[in-house]
Parts: sequence; C-alpha cells; structure tokens
Amino acid sequence: DTEVTQTPKHLVMGMTNKKSLKCEQHMGHRAMYWYKQKAKKPPELMFVYSYEKLSINESVPSRFSPECPNSSLLNLHLHALQPEDSALYLCASSLRLGDEQFFGPGTRLTVL
Amino acid sequence: AQRVTQPEKLLSVFKGAPVELKCNYSYSGSPELFWYVQYSRQRLQLLLRHISRESIKGFTADLNKGETSFHLKKPFAQEEDSAMYYCALGRGSTLGRLYFGRGTQLTVWP
Repeated sequence: DTEVTQTPKHLVMGMTNKKSLKCEQHMGHRAMYWYKQKAKKPPELMFVYSYEKLSINESVPSRFSPECPNSSLLNLHLHALQPEDSALYLCASSLRLGDEQFFGPGTRLTVL
Repeated sequence: AQRVTQPEKLLSVFKGAPVELKCNYSYSGSPELFWYVQYSRQRLQLLLRHISRESIKGFTADLNKGETSFHLKKPFAQEEDSAMYYCALGRGSTLGRLYFGRGTQLTVWP
C-alpha cells in the first residue's frame, strides 16, 4: 500500500457538532501531517506528528484536536467549528520529518 | 525566515510552446526544494525534488543558489500539463513543515 487514505471524502457539519477526520498510511512513515487548504490557496500546516510526538502550529485554534493512536493513523477531532473553517483538509506522511511528503486526497469540510 | 515566492498566479501557453514556472526562495541555510502539482480533482503530488535532479513528465528544475531560484521548465508543453503547481521549501524548516508558494495555475491551450 503506497497511498495515504483519508475518510470521509466530504463532511458537512453544524457549528455545534463534533466530528472526526481520519488519515491512514501503511508505508512505514514515521511523520504525519495535517494541512488546511482554502480554495486556490496553498496548503497551510496545522499539526505534525513525528515518532508519536506532536508539534503544533500555534496559530491553529483549539477547536481542532489531533490524535495519533499509532504510527499508521492520524485523526483530527473537530468541535464547535466556525464557517470560516470550511476548507479542504489534507493529510500527508513522510518517512522522516522533513522528507518528501505524500498527500492524501483530502476531506472537503463544510461548516454551516 | 523561510519564504517561497511564485510571482505568476496564472500562466497560459499554447501546446508545444516552452513553459517556465518561476520560484524564488529565501532561506539562509542549505535549502531542499520541491515542486508539487495538483491536477484537477486529484491529490497534491510530488513532481520534482532538487536533490534527485530527475526529469519527470518532461519537466526539469535546477537549483540556482546564487539567484535563490528553482524554476520549473518544460520545452514543449502538453494540454495534460494544465494544473496548479506549487513550489515548496522543506529542509531545515521548523516542524518539518513545507513552506509552499502561493501556486501557479498553468493552462495549456490546444
């Protein structure tokens, strides 16, 4: 398996909902990333997990909460989101921190 | 601070014409640079990295440290090259992050 998979592909949620995005890779990569991408803009890094250690982009609000159950899985828990959080959420992985990153197809999130 | 500049937001060429997508970077250390491509309705994928010095789909990119550039070139553009291209700076950055340029939308007309 040489791909990063993400579920769901699309998600619509209200501002009071709690939902989770899932990301999985079986390439033995030890670093995984969450990015947010608005339309026609470059991806912006949100979180990095490397060897199960979390690094945070400090500009990311606390309504986004990452979780790394094991080295192959990365979740992004969403709670009390705002309409401006609507975006494409991309997961990526790399063999080591700073190596070439492989991206998943993304989850298209709409917050109503 | 690390920074990547792609001066052209949009670039259009005719099929068979040469194409050059510009990328300049700002980084005091030894950079690692990438070109990523995003075709319509497809995932972001790596096209080139400077250390591999490969030619992928006819594209090449040379790192010019003197001009701090990593321009992407192809001598004869094809319609299937139409996509969004992102230049990214990777090495030595904090959090292992990729610093992306704003992207250049390339359209190749028939």
